[in-house]
Formats: sequence, C-alpha cells, structure tokens
Amino acid sequence: QAVLTQPSSLSASPGASASLTCTLRSGIDVGTYRIYWYQQKPGSPPQYLLRYKSDSDKQRGSGVPRRFSGSKDASANAGILLISGLQSEDEADYYCMIWHNSAWVFGGGTKLTV
Amino acid sequence: EVQLLESGGGLVLPGGSLRLSCVASGLSFSNYAMSWVRQAPGKGLEWVSAMSGDAGTTYYADSVRGRFTISRVNSQNTLYLQMNSLTAEDTAVYYCAKIDLLWYFDNWGQGTPVTVSS
Repeated sequence: QAVLTQPSSLSASPGASASLTCTLRSGIDVGTYRIYWYQQKPGSPPQYLLRYKSDSDKQRGSGVPRRFSGSKDASANAGILLISGLQSEDEADYYCMIWHNSAWVFGGGTKLTV
Repeated sequence: EVQLLESGGGLVLPGGSLRLSCVASGLSFSNYAMSWVRQAPGKGLEWVSAMSGDAGTTYYADSVRGRFTISRVNSQNTLYLQMNSLTAEDTAVYYCAKIDLLWYFDNWGQGTPVTVSS
C-alpha cells in the first residue's frame, strides 16, 4: 500500500470548490506530519502551493491566492487541499508530499479538470 | 530570484552512466540543502536524492541507492547527480530543487530529460 494515496482525477465546475484528498497509509498518523501541496501544469515544473500541519502551523507559498487552503481530516487520516472559486487556470495536476522515514514521499497526484 | 538550471540529460544505453548538473543563482548556495526529483513520462513525482548544504549528509531513495551519487561544489554553486547502471525505469525528467529550511522543495529548475534505451 502506498504511503500517500490521492484520487487520480477530480472534476469541478468554474466557481465551485474542489477538495483534493491525500490519505496516509494506515499506521501513519496524519496529525504528526506537515503535508505539502504542489501544483503542476503541463510542460512546467511543480510549483509549491502550501503546507499544512495545524491551524497554528501552516503557510501559503509566495503569490499563492487565498482561495487555496489546507486542512486535515483526522477521521480519514487525510490531508486536504481546498480550492475555492475555481478558475480555468486551476486545471492542473496536484501532488501532496510528506517527509517520512528520512525520505520525501509524494502522492500519485490528482488531475483536476475545471 | 532563485534560478536553477539543469543540464547533462540525454539518451543513454541500458547499463550506462550519465552525470547531471544543476547550477544555482540568486541564493547563498552553501546555506541550503538541495535535491533531485524525477518524473517519468506521464507519471507522478518521485524524489531521488538530496544533500545538505555543507555536503555532510546525503539521502537517497531506495530505488537509486547504490547506483546514484549526489554531490555539490559550493564554490561553483553547482549540484551534481552521477547516475550509473541505468535502466529503462530511470527514464524521466530530472528536476533540481532547492530545499527550504522547513524541509520542502520551494524552488525548482525546468528539468533535464534522461532517456535510457537501446
């Protein structure tokens, strides 16, 4: 079982909100990790969006709009990237990442279609 | 503004070797850990290797440990990745990335493609 699992695709309408999940493998407690989120558009390198561990330990990247935010669902053992007021430019691949056992681990990515 | 410029990618035969370079500008290079991350065609991101700013600590993904070697020359603001015993599974775009003090990748290069094929 992968350390981080993301749905392969998600579709949402312009103006709506999209909730992208990143589920940690059973036995790995989401509460103890900073979860990092990246956006990648075709032909470009990934761009850092934000990190979220708790409401007191979070940060949005430079220039990242406030409509991008992070949270956690402890009951689902998952990190969440919430994008509100979807715009066509948000169509991209989104990856979550954690530092785990002395290695960086990426989720498989979610392709968001707007 | 931080800029990272990778080079050295190309076509290599299975079992062959290649050395990638990443020249950094716009930062105090020796103050930052640096990393390599790769992306196979049509696939997701995979972390490969990282090195501390003083070159004293290295990290490797299990998939490359023993075959790849990361190094850096701080006086030349340059990061390297020596790749040996290459297989088709190593075919990917290789990105150089700067590691923020909070231990995530905050700046990325444009990547250099590596193709392992006969």
